[in-house]
Amino acid sequence: KAGVTQTPRYLIKTRGQQVTLSCSPISGHRSVSWYQQTPGQGLQFLFEYFSETQRNKGNFPGRFSGRQFSNSRSEMNVSTLELGDSALYLCASSLDLWDGAYEQYFGPGTRLTVT
Amino acid sequence: AQSVTQLDSQVPVFEEAPVELRCNYSSSVSVYLFWYVQYPNQGLQLLLKYLSGSTLVESINGFEAEFNKSQTSFHLRKPSVHISDTAEYFCAVKRRGSNYQLIWGAGTKLIIKP
Repeated sequence: KAGVTQTPRYLIKTRGQQVTLSCSPISGHRSVSWYQQTPGQGLQFLFEYFSETQRNKGNFPGRFSGRQFSNSRSEMNVSTLELGDSALYLCASSLDLWDGAYEQYFGPGTRLTVT
Repeated sequence: AQSVTQLDSQVPVFEEAPVELRCNYSSSVSVYLFWYVQYPNQGLQLLLKYLSGSTLVESINGFEAEFNKSQTSFHLRKPSVHISDTAEYFCAVKRRGSNYQLIWGAGTKLIIKP
């Protein structure tokens, strides 16, 4: 079974621009979560989607948004980029995150650098 | 609100020595407990989990963790570490039942000294 894939793997953007990151979950997984990872803040939860609906949201400004498609693929968008948005963005899929028995499978991440 | 504490941000240890990475959580209700590992330049992967039953759980690469309900802890241990264990280790907790988020610890970097 193919793992979680994220594209692109690396991205350099300028302050004020917007960016879209993509995540393809493991086949059959309906839950997709997004995380921001930085050296200073560690792993921060952004949001979780299940069957195209956002079920949970972390404490991030409205510039961060996401969506999930009917095939469970997910995208996250960051508008008006700030220098502080430079981070590794991780996507994780699960059969159903709300059933704690199911583990999350992580992709390799997208490294975003904002200059 | 639920929280997970990994007290040590870094743990340096000599190769072949034992190691313990500490994880404490704040919850008076039933929880699921997880340890994830992140090797350099990779995403996270599940190392082991406690769902129910035996309080001692083991991974395939020699790690083990013990669920201690009275101390609300889930410490990770390995009797003899290898250089390949160099990674960051994350503890996570989820309250049983729906509509509860997975709560993550800040992570502990395991540094193996030759």
